Amino acid sequence: QQQVKQSPQSLIVQKGGISIINCAYENTAFDYFPWYQQFPGKGPALLIAIRPDVSEKKEGRFTISFNKSAKQFSLHIMDSQPGDSATYFCAAGGSNYKLTFGKGTLLTVNP
Amino acid sequence: DTAVSQTPKYLVTQMGNDKSIKCEQNLGHDTMYWYKQDSKKFLKIMFSYNNKELIINETVPNRFSPKSPDKAHLNLHINSLELGDSAVYFCASSQAATAKNIQYFGAGTRLSVL
Repeated sequence: QQQVKQSPQSLIVQKGGISIINCAYENTAFDYFPWYQQFPGKGPALLIAIRPDVSEKKEGRFTISFNKSAKQFSLHIMDSQPGDSATYFCAAGGSNYKLTFGKGTLLTVNP
Repeated sequence: DTAVSQTPKYLVTQMGNDKSIKCEQNLGHDTMYWYKQDSKKFLKIMFSYNNKELIINETVPNRFSPKSPDKAHLNLHINSLELGDSAVYFCASSQAATAKNIQYFGAGTRLSVL
């Protein structure tokens, strides 16, 4: 049972464009929703995270939008740059210590 | 100064061998994790220790045995390696009291079983 569904599997965006990655979760006990960025040969690195008491969080060019009723959240990357090319993972966590990850989105930003 | 460090970075071995991967964190965290990332990049939790006590033990073959000698270290020993064990293994850590879900990952150990 996949508790966090992520789409699309891959995404190609032109430099300066907006990249949008979506995730949906099933377990209403989740109360923490991070996004991780992973470059080839590296470990995942925390990019931005949100808790369900807010609907949006922005850090620089990265924004999380959160819809509690729909059980969905998304990552928006504004003014996408070639250096943003990486695999992005959404995840969800609850009162236990476990993070459940989506399957990842390979983002390619063309110059 | 690496926060979560794993050794070795690469591990190539024959089927049936026993191997260990070591992890150390210098963040002062009290919780550590092992994840497996398969060839399709799917990340799945395997184990977690909080203050040296096992708190998460997912459905993992008992050939995999984690050991936490202290809060800063979490090692993973794998017996009788199989082809399907080939993957990248990531160690991570977090601080339970303040932010248990904010996990910091190491660079990974790429295990190849021949």
